[in-house]
Amino acid sequence: DAGITQSPRHKVTETGTPVTLRCHQTENHRYMYWYRQDPGHGLRLIHYSYGVKDTDKGEVSDGYSVSRSKTEDFLLTLESATSSQTSVYFCATLQTSGGNGELFFGEGSRLTVL
Amino acid sequence: DQQVKQNSPSLSVQEGRISILNCDYTNSMFDYFLWYKKYPAEGPTFLISISSIKDKNEDGRFTVFLNKSAKHLSLHIVPSQPGDSAVYFCAASAHGNEKLTFGTGTRLTIIP
Repeated sequence: DAGITQSPRHKVTETGTPVTLRCHQTENHRYMYWYRQDPGHGLRLIHYSYGVKDTDKGEVSDGYSVSRSKTEDFLLTLESATSSQTSVYFCATLQTSGGNGELFFGEGSRLTVL
Repeated sequence: DQQVKQNSPSLSVQEGRISILNCDYTNSMFDYFLWYKKYPAEGPTFLISISSIKDKNEDGRFTVFLNKSAKHLSLHIVPSQPGDSAVYFCAASAHGNEKLTFGTGTRLTIIP
């Protein structure tokens, strides 16, 4: 258990409004990720971070931005939410030493854009 | 371009029998493979992994087989139990690349 907390867990918003999802970890893992889960698509990587202020795009990054000002926090922002961004969002961290190279996931944030 | 494919969206298996979940990949740079299990309203949890230097890895009731020439891996669960009912994701990564690419998932239902 990597101690990953996501907030909010549920959010309903309207098209065009900004939304920020927060991921907080207590394990001091260097790498952090944001994935979205959609039926028929599995888990798709949005953005990831390999250190404070170091981020990069994943396969579905359009419409999303991220920031990491502290090791423990990784924020995902939808500048202007659209209905296609209705999804379940998962934050994950990577244990790079002493583990199996696996990702640890948070419990998810369900976002509905009306 | 789906680099990791799970062609069976769902699978039903009788309790006590063997469950076999399949996964195919197209990227020959992938050298590390993982299986995750996901219950509703929870995050995915790591189940088992295998490196490309092996063709089999076993952990209790779970065994993963890797066929590099066919770019295919499978997860065997035996015996299957009701608590195994979940969505299973296959994932892959390439050496030096700290990103995992996931498949679309297979929903396994164990019938009592």
